[in-house]
Amino acid sequence: TQLLEQSPQFLSIQEGENLTVYCNSSSVFSSLQWYRQEPGEGPVLLVTVVTGGEVKKLKRLTFQFGDARKDSSLHITAAQPGDTGLYLCAGTIYNQGGKLIFGQGTELSVKP
Amino acid sequence: SQTIHQWPATLVQPVGSPLSLECTVEGTSNPNLYWYRQAAGRGLQLLFYSVGIGQISSEVPQNLSASRPQDRQFILSSKKLLLSDSGFYLCAWSVGEGGRAFFGQGTRLTVV
Repeated sequence: TQLLEQSPQFLSIQEGENLTVYCNSSSVFSSLQWYRQEPGEGPVLLVTVVTGGEVKKLKRLTFQFGDARKDSSLHITAAQPGDTGLYLCAGTIYNQGGKLIFGQGTELSVKP
Repeated sequence: SQTIHQWPATLVQPVGSPLSLECTVEGTSNPNLYWYRQAAGRGLQLLFYSVGIGQISSEVPQNLSASRPQDRQFILSSKKLLLSDSGFYLCAWSVGEGGRAFFGQGTRLTVV
């Protein structure tokens, strides 16, 4: 059972376009994290959000945690070819200790 | 500083052979430890996680098992590998509930 639904799974856009990736669940999360992964390597953390309604910005990336702490989004403004990669959301379900689950991933391709 | 070691980086094993992948963490105490498997370009499937020595939670019933003989050592094993066990295996650690995960470099397992 996939508890963290991530969409879209694939995204191919032109340089300069904006995009949003979504992560949704019926469960409440203690925190939600976004990672980026390069082929053949482990994922690397981009951001952690812990408070409902929280918004964090990392240069052209904006992360939002839903008010009910059940969903999150990643918005990239003016995408660059260097943004190409696999983006993963992950979260720890409230009151389930250290169990960390991941979404299905979004493979982003930004063409020059 | 904290580091995580996972080995080997690549492994080719015949069907029916045993498996042992090892992961060790340095620089932290009582970490949460995880084994994930990842198909190409997809999300991470949680296989096992452990919040303490001797405490193993299995997420996916299959022919794999995990053990935590020491606080900072996590081992993934199989008595007889199947073709479907091929994939990219990642070990990770975190601290507390909702803490970020730090990943090893991964093991590319090919069962032939």
